[in-house]
Amino acid sequence: QVQLQESGPGLVKSSETLSLTCSVSGGSISAYYWSWIRQPPGKGLEWIGYIYNSGSTNYNPSLKTRVTISVDTSKNQFSLQLTSVSAADTAVYYCAREFYDSDGIHVFDFWGQGTMATVSS
Amino acid sequence: DIVMTQSPESLAVSLGERATINCKSSQSVLYSSNKKNKLAWYQQRPGQPPKLLIYWASTRESGVPDRFSGSGSGTDFTLTISSLQAEDVAVYYCQQYYSPPWTFGQGTKVEIK
Repeated sequence: QVQLQESGPGLVKSSETLSLTCSVSGGSISAYYWSWIRQPPGKGLEWIGYIYNSGSTNYNPSLKTRVTISVDTSKNQFSLQLTSVSAADTAVYYCAREFYDSDGIHVFDFWGQGTMATVSS
Repeated sequence: DIVMTQSPESLAVSLGERATINCKSSQSVLYSSNKKNKLAWYQQRPGQPPKLLIYWASTRESGVPDRFSGSGSGTDFTLTISSLQAEDVAVYYCQQYYSPPWTFGQGTKVEIK
């Protein structure tokens, strides 16, 4: 069974960089797409972006200029960096496995528990 | 971006009764290559991450009870819970995977009446 666990600082100062890591166990990180998704308090879900094939990425255009997703296959981890954060970036951040096949399915079948990141002024 | 709009925002249903949630996409998510709709449904219980329920608009994920069913095509979709159980209290989201960025509906909260 695949398990994901987010880690990182819960408090980030405005204009600084939010850095989170997702540790994957129960399967190789090399074989799938891996995504970050966020959820502001009391609100809905926003897909941030994915990484696959040990380095190819696709980001949500709304965040593209500020987002970097990277992978460390030796540690079976992938990471999120979000620069120039503001209060609008306060959210629960989830990492998830994005299941993909040749038919073009892209669904999130395994999720971490989520980590709350608060941007303070 | 494809905008996903769910209705209603919330609904209260008696135990054992049917719950119906609608999802409308701003453009068709019907994939011409396999004639399937690129639409998924998730359940998010309080304090939990979302859980995948249904993909290809009507295919249940392994282990999902058969009281959950999905239907629809093109731009209009429905998630039905045939007989509401206490453990079904949650927020439900639809998601399109027709074209990136993948987008979700705003969520529908299901409660017990």
